Amino acid sequence: GESVGLHLPTLSVQEGDNSIINCAYSNSASDYFIWYKQESGKGPQFIIDIRSNMDKRQGQRVTVLLNKTVKHLSLQIAATQPGDSAVYFCAENPYQTGANNLFFGTGTRLTVIP
Amino acid sequence: EAGVAQSPRYKIIEKRQSVAFWCNPISGHATLYWYQQILGQGPKLLIQFQNNGVVDDSQLPKDRFSAERLKGVDSTLKIQPAKLEDSAVYLCASSRGGSYGYTFGSGTRLTVV
Repeated sequence: GESVGLHLPTLSVQEGDNSIINCAYSNSASDYFIWYKQESGKGPQFIIDIRSNMDKRQGQRVTVLLNKTVKHLSLQIAATQPGDSAVYFCAENPYQTGANNLFFGTGTRLTVIP
Repeated sequence: EAGVAQSPRYKIIEKRQSVAFWCNPISGHATLYWYQQILGQGPKLLIQFQNNGVVDDSQLPKDRFSAERLKGVDSTLKIQPAKLEDSAVYLCASSRGGSYGYTFGSGTRLTVV
């Protein structure tokens, strides 16, 4: 089948365990961050977002943490399931107003072991 | 709502040939983006449209790439002539504008041989 990201950082977790995917962003002026999930052969799919005036945001089974001091973002997935296997990208919007272009990181491949 | 539609899904061409990709965004989404995703990398912005106007094309290799969104709805991206390094997935995305996340299409996988 298709392979996306042959040289990506990888994370393997046991089904039912929690997963933590990390991302370092580059621009201290970035005010909006998004995590995307990309399955093989598909476009990136929105998971959760966070603005720079927040440290933490929770969704369904997912939590995003933002540490502006060290320019670090993390995605936590609770009770990881086989369907969570995918490549995960963080993206930042370095513009506080106007154009909302997103800049994507390299991505992390998550593999869930049944 | 219907998602972002892209066609074709796959395309194989020889170098120096030309190719065109088509995108139909979500209805009502004013902002449309074309991204290039090379294997093993995150998507990289090529061009951003707001309605039928170009907002940012600073990363578009204009000697060979062109894009248009004439009526402010669907868009085409063209490569002429193609090079081997253009092999990638070309993703279209749309948004309502402002600081909102995008919705991506499934992309067109281009292979240049």
